[in-house]
Amino acid sequence: NAGVMQNPRHLVRRRGQEARLRCSPMKGHSHVYWYRQLPEEGLKFMVYLQKENIIDESGMPKERFSAEFPKEGPSILRIQQVVRGDSAAYFCASSPRDGGSEAFFGQGTRLTVV
Amino acid sequence: AQSVTQPDIHITVSEGASLELRCNYSYGATPYLFWYVQSPGQGLQLLLKYFSGDTLVQGIKGFEAEFKRSQSSFNLRKPSVHWSDAAEYFCAVGPTGGGNKLTFGTGTQLKVEL
Repeated sequence: NAGVMQNPRHLVRRRGQEARLRCSPMKGHSHVYWYRQLPEEGLKFMVYLQKENIIDESGMPKERFSAEFPKEGPSILRIQQVVRGDSAAYFCASSPRDGGSEAFFGQGTRLTVV
Repeated sequence: AQSVTQPDIHITVSEGASLELRCNYSYGATPYLFWYVQSPGQGLQLLLKYFSGDTLVQGIKGFEAEFKRSQSSFNLRKPSVHWSDAAEYFCAVGPTGGGNKLTFGTGTQLKVEL
């Protein structure tokens, strides 16, 4: 059973471009969580999704950021018109349910905005 | 709102010495508590978790942690550190009843001297 797969591992974008980060959860996991880790900081929750539904997006910036988890395919975190402050490591975690179970983390996507 | 404090940003220990990493949390009810380890350029690996029951929790790689409600602490310990333990350690709290919307501390960077 493969772990949580994130791609790309590293992504470089120029200011103003779009960044698309992908997360394939572990087999059998229908709950996905996105976190952002800024330099020298811990992980900050961004959004929690189940298949085709956004459950909690309280940590998402109000503009330029969106997330989806379609019925088929990976979860996508999209950042439009990236700025230097978006440079960070973005981690995805998945779990089979939301309560009483461990969330497994991917290796992250390191986004650099130049 | 829940919060996690890891008061030590950096800790250096000699190989073979004992280790204790501090974690204090703020949460209105009984929390779910976690310790994760992150090696450079890698994702997070769960070391151990506390949901309920015995307040001394055993984890992987010889780590243990003790939940002390009176002190709002969940300190991580290891009796004898190995050079391969050098990494960043994160304490996290989750909502009562489970759920993987975690609040992380800012991490403690562990350096092991040979």
